[in-house]
Amino acid sequence: DQQVKQNSPSLSVQEGRISILNCDYTNSMFDYFLWYKKYPAEGPTFLISISSIKDKNEDGRFTVFLNKSAKHLSLHIVPSQPGDSAVYFCAASEGTSGSRLTFGEGTQLTVNP
Amino acid sequence: EAGVVQSPRYKIIEKKQPVAFWCNPISGHNTLYWYLQNLGQGPELLIRYENEEAVDDSQLPKDRFSAERLKGVDSTLKIQPAELGDSAVYLCASSFSGTGSGETQYFGPGTRLLVL
Repeated sequence: DQQVKQNSPSLSVQEGRISILNCDYTNSMFDYFLWYKKYPAEGPTFLISISSIKDKNEDGRFTVFLNKSAKHLSLHIVPSQPGDSAVYFCAASEGTSGSRLTFGEGTQLTVNP
Repeated sequence: EAGVVQSPRYKIIEKKQPVAFWCNPISGHNTLYWYLQNLGQGPELLIRYENEEAVDDSQLPKDRFSAERLKGVDSTLKIQPAELGDSAVYLCASSFSGTGSGETQYFGPGTRLLVL
């Protein structure tokens, strides 16, 4: 039972354009959502988070949108840069502590120069 | 600030052999996690420690996997005996659990295990 799903295994965009990564979840008890970025041979690195009381959180070029009714969140990267090329994981937790994360399968983003 | 340290980075063993992984969390982080990541999948929690206590080990296959966090700092994850299906990346993460909200987990580089 995959509670967090990232249906796109890969995404390719041109440098300077917007990257949109999507994530769907099924557990209505999830209250806290995070995006992690992972480069090859490294561990995941925290990128941005959002709690269920918000529908948007922005940090520089990264914005996360949460649609609770649709159980859907997305990560927007604008403008995309070649250094953004990595695997992006969506994660969710019940409660706001973020202590028990359920991860999606990941989306490989490639930003072409 | 030093990040989460894991060793070894790579390990190749034959099936039925034992193997152990070591993790040193970020200084001051009281919560430590062990995750399993299979190829093409996201990390899956194996066990979570708060200080020395294992507070969530429901996903740890206890017939062959064991973990310890003596003194509430470093941790060791052991597999005995290893099976072919244990080939994966084993990630350690740490966080500071004090505010009760918005904790961020910091991951180490992982140990890539190959069981032949």
